[in-house]
Amino acid sequence: KAGVTQTPRYLIKTRGQQVTLSCSPISGHRSVSWYQQTPGQGLQFLFEYFSETQRNKGNFPGRFSGRQFSNSRSEMNVSTLELGDSALYLCASSLAGTQETQYFGPGTRLLVL
Amino acid sequence: GENVEQHPSTLSVQEGDSAVIKCTYSDSASNYFPWYKQELGKGPQLIIDIRSNVGEKKDQRIAVTLNKTAKHFSLHITETQPEDSAVYFCAVKAAGNKLTFGGGTRVLVKP
Repeated sequence: KAGVTQTPRYLIKTRGQQVTLSCSPISGHRSVSWYQQTPGQGLQFLFEYFSETQRNKGNFPGRFSGRQFSNSRSEMNVSTLELGDSALYLCASSLAGTQETQYFGPGTRLLVL
Repeated sequence: GENVEQHPSTLSVQEGDSAVIKCTYSDSASNYFPWYKQELGKGPQLIIDIRSNVGEKKDQRIAVTLNKTAKHFSLHITETQPEDSAVYFCAVKAAGNKLTFGGGTRVLVKP
C-alpha cells in the first residue's frame, strides 16, 4: 500500500506571496493532520481534517488554512508569507477515529526569502 | 495545554550498547504515546506506540514503558546499530487527533 505523499517536496517563495501544499493520504485513510517542523519550535500541530471538515486546530494565525476534498486529499494554504514560515510542513494520515495511529509523509520544505 | 519534555537532547552510544530516551507529559488525560524516528530528509516514521491501558510494549530491539502515575514514558533500544542513528521524537495524544511532540533526541551510534 502506498504511503502518504506530499507535493511539492521543495518550494521557494518570497515574503508576501502565498503557497498551497498538497497531501494525499494512505488509501482508505480519512483523517489528515498537518504539522509544522522548525529547528526552533520543533513539531507543532496546525490542524486536522476529517470528512472534509476541520476537526481540530492548533495555535497558528489565520494565514494558515486548509481544506479536504471528498477523496480525502488535503491542501494547506499559507497567505502573506513571512520569513518565519520557512519550515518543513508534514502531513499525517490515519484511518478515521481519534485513537488511530498517524502515519507521516516526507514533508514539503518551504523556504521564504 | 499539553506540555511534553524529552531528555536527553543528544545521545551518543557505542554500537551494541543500549539507548534510553525519556519523556514526561503534563495532561493526565493523555492516553496514547507513540515514538517516531526521523532520518535526514524524511518524515517521522512510527517505530512503536503504547496506549494508556498497557505498561510496557516490546518489538524486537525496541521497547516502550509507561508510568501513568508519574506521567512519564521511555523508549529503550537494545543492541544499537549504526542504522539506529537518527532523531527520535516522543508524542502524546489526549483528546482529539492532535499529537504534541517532545523536542527530539539526536541519537548517534558509533561503530
